[in-house]
Amino acid sequence: EDQVTQSPEALRLQEGESSSLNCSYTVSGLRGLFWYRQDPGKGPEFLFTLYSAGEEKEKERLKATLTKKESFLHITAPKPEDSATYLCAVQRGNNNDMRFGAGTRLTVKP
Amino acid sequence: EAGVTQSPTHLIKTRGQQATLRCSPISGHTSVYWYQQALGLGLQFLLWYDEGEERNRGNFPPRFSGRQFPNYSSELNVNALELEDSALYLCASSLETGVRSPLHFGNGTRLTVT
Repeated sequence: EDQVTQSPEALRLQEGESSSLNCSYTVSGLRGLFWYRQDPGKGPEFLFTLYSAGEEKEKERLKATLTKKESFLHITAPKPEDSATYLCAVQRGNNNDMRFGAGTRLTVKP
Repeated sequence: EAGVTQSPTHLIKTRGQQATLRCSPISGHTSVYWYQQALGLGLQFLLWYDEGEERNRGNFPPRFSGRQFPNYSSELNVNALELEDSALYLCASSLETGVRSPLHFGNGTRLTVT
């Protein structure tokens, strides 16, 4: 069965302390892997789409990478405003529905 | 560009009642998706509509249903509400099917069943 697993569940960082979030997946016919940011009480906000192994995307302090089995979201020198839950999702086969991981709750302390 | 809008923001119902949630997609988007996000759980796929047709549904009972109107807006109906239906219901839209389009989410309807 298709699975999306994110780790860690929660991560606390000091401002400026770089780290990575992991999203591992087992899915048949991956069409795309998506990263979202979700703030409390809000809907997920789209960050990146990755389509093939080796691909990388960057936006400000965030960089997403993709291998055949997992994706990483690297956060460089995070700031308190980067605190949020980060979700990854896979789009698979001929279905347009996305399967989401449970998310990583990131807290960045000043 | 206006984003995905959902109404109402909050909804309080009693067990056994029916709830209706509404969603307006981004202009030009033809696909609408519904997800349930219960406390402590990830987003669970409910329903996908495109061009007025239900294209796929997740592992939810038939009392979860919906429709898509000619203007691409959508409605989610939950009948015979149960306590465990309390959750944030998120609507998302995408540009078109058959391509790797990201979903764009609204801020959800918080449904509380007492």
